[in-house]
Amino acid sequence: AQSVTQLGSHVSVSEGALVLLRCNYSSSVPPYLFWYVQYPNQGLQLLLKYTSAATLVKGINGFEAEFKKSETSFHLTKPSAHMSDAAEYFCAVTSNFGNEKLTFGTGTRLTIIP
Amino acid sequence: ETGVTQSPTHLIKTRGQQVTLRCSSQSGHNTVSWYQQALGQGPQFIFQYYREEENGRGNFPPRFSGLQFPNYSSELNVNALELDDSALYLCASSSPGQSYNEQFFGPGTRLTVL
Repeated sequence: AQSVTQLGSHVSVSEGALVLLRCNYSSSVPPYLFWYVQYPNQGLQLLLKYTSAATLVKGINGFEAEFKKSETSFHLTKPSAHMSDAAEYFCAVTSNFGNEKLTFGTGTRLTIIP
Repeated sequence: ETGVTQSPTHLIKTRGQQVTLRCSSQSGHNTVSWYQQALGQGPQFIFQYYREEENGRGNFPPRFSGLQFPNYSSELNVNALELDDSALYLCASSSPGQSYNEQFFGPGTRLTVL
């Protein structure tokens, strides 16, 4: 079985400050990990993915995440927050066995303070 | 390249009714997964269809059923609607030929059950 835990259902940061959204995973098999962003009344957009290559993954809009097996973590960061980053962020896990389902966390709502 | 599309955008039904939601997969994708996203929650896997056959199912009752057509488009049917079925229903398409399970999401159908 696989699961993800997102610490902090709401995170607020000032514009220009560091964004850090936390995700810890549990998986009995080597995981593939994803971060998705969801803007109000929209579907999910893939930010970045870890698929067992480089442990530091760079995504769109200046976001990056680091896979740390020893800590079972895949935290999302961005050096400088922008107002347009305000959205809901979801961490998800799947196995590397093929076309498997995604298991999502409960999400973190990011608010940017002007 | 056309992305994943879903119809309708919004739907209002009453308890006990039946509903059909539709999804057109991205060009070249033969796998469709359906997710339910309740308000304030992460998406939950309902089931997946691959080449017109169900290929995995989450913890949802049998009144949730689906179809996939030869053109890989898909339907989600829900019978005997309950109030708790109110949610955003997301469709995602993917291709098992990829080395990882990147799923491309549609904008979703917002279902309200009164």
